[in-house]
Amino acid sequence: GENVEQHPSTLSVQEGDSAVIKCTYSDSASNYFPWYKQELGKGPQLIIDIRSNVGEKKDQRIAVTLNKTAKHFSLHITETQPEDSAVYFCAASTSGGGADGLTFGKGTHLIIQP
Amino acid sequence: DVKVTQSSRYLVKRTGEKVFLECVQDMDHENMFWYRQDPGLGLRLIYFSYDVKMKEKGDIPEGYSVSREKKERFSLILESASTNQTSMYLCASRPPWGAITDTQYFGPGTRLTVL
Repeated sequence: GENVEQHPSTLSVQEGDSAVIKCTYSDSASNYFPWYKQELGKGPQLIIDIRSNVGEKKDQRIAVTLNKTAKHFSLHITETQPEDSAVYFCAASTSGGGADGLTFGKGTHLIIQP
Repeated sequence: DVKVTQSSRYLVKRTGEKVFLECVQDMDHENMFWYRQDPGLGLRLIYFSYDVKMKEKGDIPEGYSVSREKKERFSLILESASTNQTSMYLCASRPPWGAITDTQYFGPGTRLTVL
């Protein structure tokens, strides 16, 4: 089955700097890659996703890049703000491959230092 | 917006008790999921369901069962709670096969403590 590795487990950056979180996956058939943000005491919420026919997707300060050859994808957050502090999860799935869908990474705790 | 609700935010139960965690979604999704989340282990899939009365085991089904009598409701059952089931439990739902997204939408979670 699919295996998703996520690094780093903790990331501390100064407010205003950029943050990058990286994930690798094992199943070359995976074609959908979402990122979730989980704030303290809440469930994960989708912040951005990308499909395998696209190399990069951007939404305001966040972007995701995908390298299918190397089987890795990354989340980029620019101009970080205090409200970006949270745990971020990457995931991978094979679209239409069944109801069990997503395999998650173990999460990155992003800390924005004022 | 998709809304997934869970019956309790916090629960405290005793060892051996039968525990029910309820989840309801309002978007007519066929697929529903139960995960547990533990520090350092991420999200682990317990059970999922792709239709009413249908259920499939996930990665860690031992000690749990589920029930899906109605499309919008998916229940997780701990037949005899144990201390190692103390965890955050997350419910999620997902659009049907053939939808343009595989995105799962999560509820707020239930933090269960078993004493």
